[in-house]
Amino acid sequence: DIVMTQSPDSLAVSLGERATINCKSSHNILYSSNNNNYLAWYQQKPGQPPKLLIYWASTRAFGVPDRFSGSGSGTDFTLTISSLQAEDVAVYYCQQYYDNTYTFGQGTKLEIK
Amino acid sequence: EVQLVESGGGLVQPGGSLRLSCAASGFSFRNYWMSWVRQAPGKGLEWVVNIKLDGSEEYYVESVRGRFSVSRDNAKNSLYLQMNSLRAEDTAVYYCARLEGTGWYYNWGQGTLVTVSS
Repeated sequence: DIVMTQSPDSLAVSLGERATINCKSSHNILYSSNNNNYLAWYQQKPGQPPKLLIYWASTRAFGVPDRFSGSGSGTDFTLTISSLQAEDVAVYYCQQYYDNTYTFGQGTKLEIK
Repeated sequence: EVQLVESGGGLVQPGGSLRLSCAASGFSFRNYWMSWVRQAPGKGLEWVVNIKLDGSEEYYVESVRGRFSVSRDNAKNSLYLQMNSLRAEDTAVYYCARLEGTGWYYNWGQGTLVTVSS
């Protein structure tokens, strides 16, 4: 199975500052035939289901503010929040969908400093 | 509006069985792969299973293979998860989710809690 490892496990950032979350895959999840990275990012707040932020590693989902961006390729990926807002406090997860069995990272808890 | 509503969770003893249901509405259910994703209390997300449009293909996480069985009834717009030989480590909120494109999830249910305990 493909293992997804996020870093850090938790992060505290000041309002208006940049937050960066990393996700590393144990396997290359760039599909050479279409040049797409099979990676998504989610935000989850307490008591709620996850919310899709990014798919194909860098495509923002409908309605997601442009302060959220995804980057990376192959095995190393990053979710960046350019200017942290109070409502961004949540746990963030990456997910690979490269093969028939999907896996999530362990999650990164984002708080306000 | 897409809606996914899970039901069937509850308290069950180790070794017991439970059947979860997910009622889908607001979209053409037969045209989408569907999934179950779970989350143990205070823990991260774990993908459990995918089922193809017509139920002809299923993919499971290793930890539930042989114990859990997914099915769907496209006439009733419903997804199911039959869980047998339940263990304490199966305790989690189980989410029903619609699979988009080749593997991400935009629409999720609110989840149903399964507790395995004596």
